[in-house]
Amino acid sequence: DTGVSQDPRHKITKRGQNVTFRCDPISEHNRLYWYRQTLGQGPEFLTYFQNEAQLEKSRLLSDRFSAERPKGSFSTLEIQRTEQGDSAMYLCASSLSPRGDAFFGQGTRLTVV
Amino acid sequence: QKEVEQNSGPLSVPEGAIASLNCTYSDRGSQSFFWYRQYSGKSPELIMSIYSNGDKEDGRFTAQLNKASQYVSLLIRDSQPSDSATYLCAGTLDNQGGKLIFGQGTELSVKP
Repeated sequence: DTGVSQDPRHKITKRGQNVTFRCDPISEHNRLYWYRQTLGQGPEFLTYFQNEAQLEKSRLLSDRFSAERPKGSFSTLEIQRTEQGDSAMYLCASSLSPRGDAFFGQGTRLTVV
Repeated sequence: QKEVEQNSGPLSVPEGAIASLNCTYSDRGSQSFFWYRQYSGKSPELIMSIYSNGDKEDGRFTAQLNKASQYVSLLIRDSQPSDSATYLCAGTLDNQGGKLIFGQGTELSVKP
């Protein structure tokens, strides 16, 4: 399977715990994006990388959120001190160029209890 | 005003009919547009992209873009029950790195 891969698919965590999600993009894609989607809404942009450089972070991304893409390959999204409002589907997408088609992974569904 | 707006629906059409999904956008700097299909509990799946004014056809799907009217649409011909899903319209702005701005999605139900 050469699509975008995300891990884990589901995560249930207690409020206050830290969680980390991983995304493996399509291998030749140098752009990687993170989005968050809540029920009944379209995905909202969080941040994106071109190779290993994080080029933009949304105002939605509080200080508790951090993302990395070491060596321009896979990316991780960490949420510290989770809150119930963090419960959502976290989606990763990758593309070859700014105008190129972006393809999404299966998503990680986070539930904070 | 939201940057990308869609009718939330639900839109219900009978099997075999044409489903018409609409999207408007507010930023004239928007360059590229995409339609994604999302089944319940799943991630968005890209079905159409359109970059210039006019129509683009792919199988049963036709995307239409009118930049003067800031309007994007998706037509699904010969709708099938398997087309029942939420359809997300998204656009990108020039010089914004390709980040997608999504509408809230339109739920489509195709009745057998």
